[in-house]
Amino acid sequence: EPEVTQTPSHQVTQMGQEVILRCVPISNHLYFYWYRQILGQKVEFLVSFYNNEISEKSEIFDDQFSVERPDGSNFTLKIRSTKLEDSAMYFCASRGTVLNPLLYEQYFGPGTRLTVT
Amino acid sequence: AQSVTQPDIHITVSEGASLELRCNYSYGATPYLFWYVQSPGQGLQLLLKYFSGDTLVQGIKGFEAEFKRSQSSFNLRKPSVHWSDAAEYFCAVGFNSGNTGKLIFGQGTTLQVKP
Repeated sequence: EPEVTQTPSHQVTQMGQEVILRCVPISNHLYFYWYRQILGQKVEFLVSFYNNEISEKSEIFDDQFSVERPDGSNFTLKIRSTKLEDSAMYFCASRGTVLNPLLYEQYFGPGTRLTVT
Repeated sequence: AQSVTQPDIHITVSEGASLELRCNYSYGATPYLFWYVQSPGQGLQLLLKYFSGDTLVQGIKGFEAEFKRSQSSFNLRKPSVHWSDAAEYFCAVGFNSGNTGKLIFGQGTTLQVKP
């Protein structure tokens, strides 16, 4: 069964450093998402991406964040200058196909745990 | 504003007992409704979903949920809980506006199962 994959599973970085979190969505999906979950809290929407552009972003997704789909398979989240409060689990998700674009169920990857020290 | 409320932060049930996890949402139209389960250190697995039609939906692992429009609720149920059901359960609402379809999650309910 197709699945969303994410790398790395755990990333430790120092405050102020740039990090790139990588995701490979399900291959025929059209819509891509990043969510984050701070330890012990709920899952929060960060950004959605469709047709090679951001379709919606949350207040959390400020200028320090960016997303890219560089090669038609990978979907990346970059944090330019990490802060302590960026420590969280980051989930990638994808949904919808050309034949069924209104397929609203999202398939989540296993997550990347980001620890900023 | 759209929101999802899971009133129970933590629930403990005995193995074999029935389970109901509550979820209420606030949204102007009928949303798409989901329940996800997260085991410790794991990602989010879709248990079941409601888009339209029959308001009682069946999911994986013996779970079901009932959509009640009048109560803005989508409660998750299981008739007999197994020890392996211990996990965090998230109710989520999807919005079909534009090209987003983002999900809004509730706070989650931690399920503990007693032997």
